[in-house]
Amino acid sequence: DAGVTQSPTHLIKTRGQHVTLRCSPISGHKSVSWYQQVLGQGPQFIFQYYEKEERGRGNFPDRFSARQFPNYSSELNVNALLLGDSALYLCASRPGIQETQYFGPGTRLLVL
Amino acid sequence: AQSVTQLGSHVSVSEGALVLLRCNYSSSVPPYLFWYVQYPNQGLQLLLKYTSAATLVKGINGFEAEFKKSETSFHLTKPSAHMSDAAEYFCAVSDNNAGNMLTFGGGTRLMVKP
Repeated sequence: DAGVTQSPTHLIKTRGQHVTLRCSPISGHKSVSWYQQVLGQGPQFIFQYYEKEERGRGNFPDRFSARQFPNYSSELNVNALLLGDSALYLCASRPGIQETQYFGPGTRLLVL
Repeated sequence: AQSVTQLGSHVSVSEGALVLLRCNYSSSVPPYLFWYVQYPNQGLQLLLKYTSAATLVKGINGFEAEFKKSETSFHLTKPSAHMSDAAEYFCAVSDNNAGNMLTFGGGTRLMVKP
């Protein structure tokens, strides 16, 4: 079975631009979470979605937004990019809200 | 509020030696604790989790961790290191046993010398 997939794998943007990151959960998984991992640090929770509804939000500015589609895939959007947004963005999926989550390989974003 | 502190950003051991990675937590509610491993250019993989059923938790790849409430610790150990154990290890805490909205520590990079 395919694991969590994320696209693109790498991305370079400039300050002020907008970026969209995509995540396809494991088949049958209805919950998706997003984490930001800045180089040299642990991941930080951004969002959790379940059945297309936001179930949790971390301490991130409104420039960060996300949504989940009817097929349970998800997008993470970041507006007005800052240098500090450079990080590995991890997506994790789980069957339901109470099951173990599985992480994808991440999208590495570099903001110049 | 919850937080995790991992003592030692880098740990180096010889192959066959004991692995000890330290994790201390702070939580205002009964904590659920997790250890994840991250290999280069890969996502996070769950090693084990503490959900109050037993204080000594056994995980994959020969790792185990012991929950000590009095010390607010959840240290990760493995009796004998293998070269393949070289990776980044993260301790995390959540207020639910499913690990929703995890709070991670800063990570410890384990290096294994031949």
